[in-house]
Amino acid sequence: QQQVKQSPQSLIVQKGGISIINCAYENTAFDYFPWYQQFPGKGPALLIAIRPDVSEKKEGRFTISFNKSAKQFSLHIMDSQPGDSATYFCAASSGQGGSEKLVFGKGTKLTVNP
Amino acid sequence: DAGVTQSPTHLIKTRGQHVTLRCSPISGHKSVSWYQQVLGQGPQFIFQYYEKEERGRGNFPDRFSARQFPNYSSELNVNALLLGDSALYLCASSLLLRRSEQYFGPGTRLTVT
Repeated sequence: QQQVKQSPQSLIVQKGGISIINCAYENTAFDYFPWYQQFPGKGPALLIAIRPDVSEKKEGRFTISFNKSAKQFSLHIMDSQPGDSATYFCAASSGQGGSEKLVFGKGTKLTVNP
Repeated sequence: DAGVTQSPTHLIKTRGQHVTLRCSPISGHKSVSWYQQVLGQGPQFIFQYYEKEERGRGNFPDRFSARQFPNYSSELNVNALLLGDSALYLCASSLLLRRSEQYFGPGTRLTVT
């Protein structure tokens, strides 16, 4: 059972454009939603994270939008650059069972063309 | 500041063998989690340790075990390796057990032949 569904699987954007990646979750107990960026051969790097008490969080060119009622959250990358080309993962956790288990989406491969 | 470190970087093992992977968390972090990432997929949770105690376990067989040492470093052990165990094994550290960002290391690439 996939608890976090991520789309699209791949995304091609022109330099300077906006990249949008969407995630939907099922477990209403989730209370922490991070996004990770992963380059080939590297571990995931924490990009930005949000908790459900806010609907939007912005850090530089990266913005998370959160819709609690729809159980959806998305990552917007403004002014996309070729260096942003990587795989992006959304994740969610709830602390159920006494641990901070992150449940990841399947990833979106972003390509930003120069 | 040093991030999460993992060793070895790459490892090739034969089916049926045993493997030990090591992780050193960010200084001051007390929690270590282990994830398995199969090519083309998102990481899957294996274990979380906090203050040397197992606090969470994912849906993995008993062939997988781990422990955390007094200095908060951790080992992941996998017995009776199967071809399907080939993956990138990631360690993540966090300051606390809950409500604390998880920072990943570079991973150990395990290939089982």
